[in-house]
Amino acid sequence: EVRLVETGGGLVQPGGSLRLSCEGSEFPFSSYEMNWVRQAPGKGLEWISYISSSGGVKNYADSVKGRFTISRDNAKSALYLEMNSLRVEDSAVYFCARDSGLLIDAFNLWGQGTKVTVSS
Amino acid sequence: QSVLTQPPSVSGAPGQSVSISCSGSSANVQGNVVNWYQQIPGGAPRLLIYSNNKRPSGVPDRFSGSKSGITASLAISGLQSEDEADYFCAARDDRLKGVVFGGGTKVTVL
Repeated sequence: EVRLVETGGGLVQPGGSLRLSCEGSEFPFSSYEMNWVRQAPGKGLEWISYISSSGGVKNYADSVKGRFTISRDNAKSALYLEMNSLRVEDSAVYFCARDSGLLIDAFNLWGQGTKVTVSS
Repeated sequence: QSVLTQPPSVSGAPGQSVSISCSGSSANVQGNVVNWYQQIPGGAPRLLIYSNNKRPSGVPDRFSGSKSGITASLAISGLQSEDEADYFCAARDDRLKGVVFGGGTKVTVL
């Protein structure tokens, strides 16, 4: 089955760090651009980061720039999000999402999400 | 506050049609394609419409999209109970250099 599975969420104190992982299966992971999208409790979707298929190009939303780092290991079909200096407002479900490959920023495969709670 | 503006909720009886608007600007909706996502509460988003009006395989033709200027719309005809979900529009924003989403619209089937 073609799917994405996120892991690594949990409870962390403000100012702390966390690393999220997303593993792809049953598709050529290295051929696809990937993204992280988050959703705060009861709120809408927020795109936070993009990485090209090779990993050479990365983009971030202003809300996480300088604190979060996206990376990937194509040999492991894995996507990562290193989150530092976490704030209460970073509490959300974090989804990894695969780009459709049509150059239209459409995300046609999503993981189930992993929950991050930032609280003292 | 979301960059793209959607109504918080719409509702309709089974079999009726509803429409959801998505208003943006020249930096996003007008200049780029709009994609729509459906999210059942507690689940992951699912791509519903891409490139303004195209349906991925498996999406019923009851769902249709359109765009004119700075406003895009999602229409659902023949409303069914399983259409109860949150719907989000999205587009690239050339100023912000990333994807922006609407705040989401909750569809209730009465």
